[in-house]
Amino acid sequence: AQSVAQPEDQVNVAEGNPLTVKCTYSVSGNPYLFWYVQYPNRGLQFLLKYITGDNLVKGSYGFEAEFNKSQTSFHLKKPSALVSDSALYFCAVRDAGSSNTGKLIFGQGTTLQVKP
Amino acid sequence: DTAVSQTPKYLVTQMGNDKSIKCEQNLGHDTMYWYKQDSKKFLKIMFSYNNKELIINETVPNRFSPKSPDKAHLNLHINSLELGDSAVYFCASSRRQAPSGNTIYFGEGSWLTVV
Repeated sequence: AQSVAQPEDQVNVAEGNPLTVKCTYSVSGNPYLFWYVQYPNRGLQFLLKYITGDNLVKGSYGFEAEFNKSQTSFHLKKPSALVSDSALYFCAVRDAGSSNTGKLIFGQGTTLQVKP
Repeated sequence: DTAVSQTPKYLVTQMGNDKSIKCEQNLGHDTMYWYKQDSKKFLKIMFSYNNKELIINETVPNRFSPKSPDKAHLNLHINSLELGDSAVYFCASSRRQAPSGNTIYFGEGSWLTVV
């Protein structure tokens, strides 16, 4: 069965500092991994995804994520946080070895708080 | 210009009522979804349609009935609303159900409150 874990409910970081939002996954086959961001009272916006190839994936708003197969992780990172990055972040996974129903499994979400 | 649009954005209704949420996508995608976000912000898929054909039904009560008149629209009808149905419902779409690397794009959500 597919699953995603985001071990931190909240991450606090000062503006200008680097940020990391953690994500680990479990799938039976090869994973397709995604990060989404949700601002208050808004929908989910796609940030980036890992399908294959380079383990470091770059996405929107200066975010990047590193796929680590041995640690089954896909942590989201940004070199310098902005106050406007404060939001709820979701990691999600699809199992490439599944029946390809397209079902995306989400982690429980991590609230990122960037303080000035 | 909105890619995935859903209406209404906010809906307050009484228990026992029937309500519908409409969704339209202008991305030319073949696959559409309904996700539910509960009060703890947890997201779970409810339904998925591919070219108007139901492909995922995640043990949702049969009070919830999706309808896809064409591949650009996926509406959600809910009968006999219960307090526990209060949630945010997100419509989404993607190019195809497979390959699974296709990105899913979400609408802005519909906030349903049952009183």
